[in-house]
Amino acid sequence: EVQLVESGGDLVQPGRSLRLSCAASGFTFDDYAMHWVRQAPGKGLEWVSGISWNSGNIDYADSVKGRFTISRDNAKNSLYLQMNSLRAEDSALYYCAKEITHDIVATYFDYWGQGTLVTVSS
Amino acid sequence: SYVLTQPPSVSVAPGQTARITCGGDNIGSKSVHWYQQKPGQAPALVVYDDSDRPSGIPERFSGSNSGNTATLTISRVEAGDEADYSCQVWDSSSDRRVFGTGTKVTVL
Repeated sequence: EVQLVESGGDLVQPGRSLRLSCAASGFTFDDYAMHWVRQAPGKGLEWVSGISWNSGNIDYADSVKGRFTISRDNAKNSLYLQMNSLRAEDSALYYCAKEITHDIVATYFDYWGQGTLVTVSS
Repeated sequence: SYVLTQPPSVSVAPGQTARITCGGDNIGSKSVHWYQQKPGQAPALVVYDDSDRPSGIPERFSGSNSGNTATLTISRVEAGDEADYSCQVWDSSSDRRVFGTGTKVTVL
């Protein structure tokens, strides 16, 4: 059974940093691209960042480019999101999602985690 | 940027049919995928590539896509179908995934 379990969400002040983690199990992690998707309260889903199977292809939404860094450790079956210079508008439920292929391509997510909550407030 | 518009809410009686629309410029030329979000649960893929269903998704869930509107249809609606539903496409002009605004389905 595929499982994606996010952690690391917290209440943090504007301008501070936070690192999210996603522990994957139930599939061959290093065969697939992985993504972070967020949902602000009362809003729709927003793709944040994606990383290919071997970290060779990485992409970010314009809203987080330069502030967030995605990474993965295939030996640990884990995905990460380093979030710096956090803003109030970054407050959201952050989901880890599995791509159906090994690269960041024009497809869809077949499995998602339950999310971890990030609140940016003073 | 490419915009996908969904109605905020759809209400349907048990046993009836719910239709959730996803509007976008020439969306019929794109592949549309649909996700279901129940409170406290991970989002789940219910339809991909306009009309295909992942294993385990009931045949009651179907999709279509033409012109400027894609539609997710839930037949013989059950109480357990109450959830938020979001559409998603790939916008080739920006090379980005785009999600719809989301629709809350309420079973009366």
